Amino acid sequence: EIVLTQTPLSSPVTLGQPASISCRSSQSLVHSDGNTYLTWLHQRPGQPPRPLIFKVSYRLPGVPDRFSGSGAGTDFTLKISRVEAEDLGVYYCMQAAQFPLTFGGGTKVEIK
Amino acid sequence: QVKLVESGGGVVQPGQSMTLSCAASGFTFSSYVMNWFRQAPGKGLEWVAVVWFDGSKEYYADSVKGRFTISRDNSKNTVYLQMNSLKTDDTAVYYCARNRIADSWGQGTLVIVSS
Repeated sequence: EIVLTQTPLSSPVTLGQPASISCRSSQSLVHSDGNTYLTWLHQRPGQPPRPLIFKVSYRLPGVPDRFSGSGAGTDFTLKISRVEAEDLGVYYCMQAAQFPLTFGGGTKVEIK
Repeated sequence: QVKLVESGGGVVQPGQSMTLSCAASGFTFSSYVMNWFRQAPGKGLEWVAVVWFDGSKEYYADSVKGRFTISRDNSKNTVYLQMNSLKTDDTAVYYCARNRIADSWGQGTLVIVSS
């Protein structure tokens, strides 16, 4: 089973300032089809998770361009260029390179 | 637009069974792998099971293997999760999600296993 380790656990931010979350994998997330299956999701309290970015760096439709994903192999990063109030909540990384699909433990983005 | 609607949750006693449904619309259902995930109260996300486009393959988390069965009916655009021998640890909100990359999620249905 692939283990994903997210840091930090909590990220106090000032609105309008950038934020960055790291996700490290215990194994390469490159699938045999050549794709790297790393997804980032955002969850607000009482809401279902909302996928933001798939295959490391592709934003899903409707996701603001202040969100960007990068990385390769086993090290990945989600960056928010300027945090807005609607961005608060918990962020998860998820790997879909192999089953079982697994998640990082989550990073809570909150107001400083 | 893509829509996934879960149903079938509720309160059940340990050892009993329950079947969840997820009705899909807004896309060609038979072209997509479908997943079930869950989230226990105050906890993180956990993948539960996946079923292939045509139902030919299924994979399960170790925590549910042998107790849960995922299936789909492409004529009804619906994926199911049959849950047997339920345990208190199965208490969670259950979500269905489309695709290997989980690019669209439903609102979830709450399952409470309690005596």
